[in-house]
Amino acid sequence: EIVLTQSPGTLSLSPGERATLSCRASQSVRSDYLAWYQQKPGQAPRLLIYDASNRATGIPDRFTGSGSGTDFSLTISRLEPEDSALYYCQQYGDPPGCSFGQGTKLEIK
Amino acid sequence: EVLLVQSGAEVKKPGESLKISCKGSGYSFTTYWIAWVRQMPGKGLEWMGVIYPRDSDTTYSPSFQGQVVISADTSINTAYLQWSSLKSSDNAIYYCARHLREWLPHDGFDVWGPGTLVTVSA
Repeated sequence: EIVLTQSPGTLSLSPGERATLSCRASQSVRSDYLAWYQQKPGQAPRLLIYDASNRATGIPDRFTGSGSGTDFSLTISRLEPEDSALYYCQQYGDPPGCSFGQGTKLEIK
Repeated sequence: EVLLVQSGAEVKKPGESLKISCKGSGYSFTTYWIAWVRQMPGKGLEWMGVIYPRDSDTTYSPSFQGQVVISADTSINTAYLQWSSLKSSDNAIYYCARHLREWLPHDGFDVWGPGTLVTVSA
């Protein structure tokens, strides 16, 4: 089973700044099958990025996914207060299922 | 609009059985895999398993194999997650989620249900 480790655990930034969230896999993720999700309190997760770098429908271009192999990043530019949330990475390239990272909490000061 | 609608919150006692549901609408229910994801209080996301409604092909996470049963009824576009004997450790929110792309068994999840809160308490 592929283990995903996200860093940092918490990130505190100001509006307008750029956030970079990291997701490291314990082994190479096949076909870069990696997704990023945003979860706000009391809500279900929302898909932001799939296949490492493709934005999901309706996701603003402030959200950018990058990386391959074992190292992946989610960059959020021009932070807005509404970006405060938990962010999870997920790999789905290791059958039979998938696994999630433990999450990064993003706080907008 | 593509939607997954889940059944309401449940309060059960240890040892009781439970079946929660997830009804899909606005898309071809039979040809998209549906996953179940657990989120324990204040914790992260855990993949439990997945089902392909067309033929009920099902895969479980080793952590949940034997603990739950995933099923689907294509006549009413509904997937299910069931327990035969609940434990207090089953306290969690359970989400169903649709795979992004038709037919693909390994994929991200683009549509999520709102979650079903399961409380198990004596």
